[in-house]
Amino acid sequence: QLQLQESGPGLVKPSETLTLTCTVSGGSISSTTYYWAWIRQPPGKGLEWIGSFYYSGSTYYNPSLKSRVTISVDTSKSQLSLMLSSVTAADTAVYYCARHRGIVAATTWFDPWGQGTLVTVSS
Amino acid sequence: SSELTQDPAVSVALGQTVRITCQGDSLGTYYASWYQQKPGQAPLLVFYGKNNRPSGIPDRFSGSSSGNTASLTITGAQAEDEADYYCNSRDTNGNSLFGGGTKLTVL
Repeated sequence: QLQLQESGPGLVKPSETLTLTCTVSGGSISSTTYYWAWIRQPPGKGLEWIGSFYYSGSTYYNPSLKSRVTISVDTSKSQLSLMLSSVTAADTAVYYCARHRGIVAATTWFDPWGQGTLVTVSS
Repeated sequence: SSELTQDPAVSVALGQTVRITCQGDSLGTYYASWYQQKPGQAPLLVFYGKNNRPSGIPDRFSGSSSGNTASLTITGAQAEDEADYYCNSRDTNGNSLFGGGTKLTVL
């Protein structure tokens, strides 16, 4: 059964770069069928797609975050990474990783999701 | 526009049927996927596409689409269905979109 687990610092200072890792187990991160995504949720608010990455290097980023986001994959470690630069308090959120299918198809969906990790931006 | 709009809150009596809707221009071209999120938990996929229910999701959850509106229907709502529900789709550039979420209360 595919499982995803996010990890990283729970506190980041303003203007610094947020870096998170998602470890994938029970399946291959090099699958030709799926993308791998980061999604976030500010406390008490809705979901926001950050971006998705295909093992070959193809990426899709949320236009509103594109200038600050880098998503990459380390296939040797079966890990997906997120880097978000120049963070502010508005970037405080629970960050989820998820498997993403159908990114350019008629139907797109995210399944499964990791449990999420809370990142607070504060000095 | 690249937005998905949901009613903020909906309520349903125990055992009755409820429809949660999602509106957006992209839904005229692409199907929606639906996620259930309970407090403190990660979202869970409950329905996607024209007619797809993930393994383990009760068959009281169903989806439909008409024009620019997608709907998630719960037939015979149970107390455990009380949660936030989010729709998701994509735009022509492959960007993924989420609706603002609907809080479902089961009375």
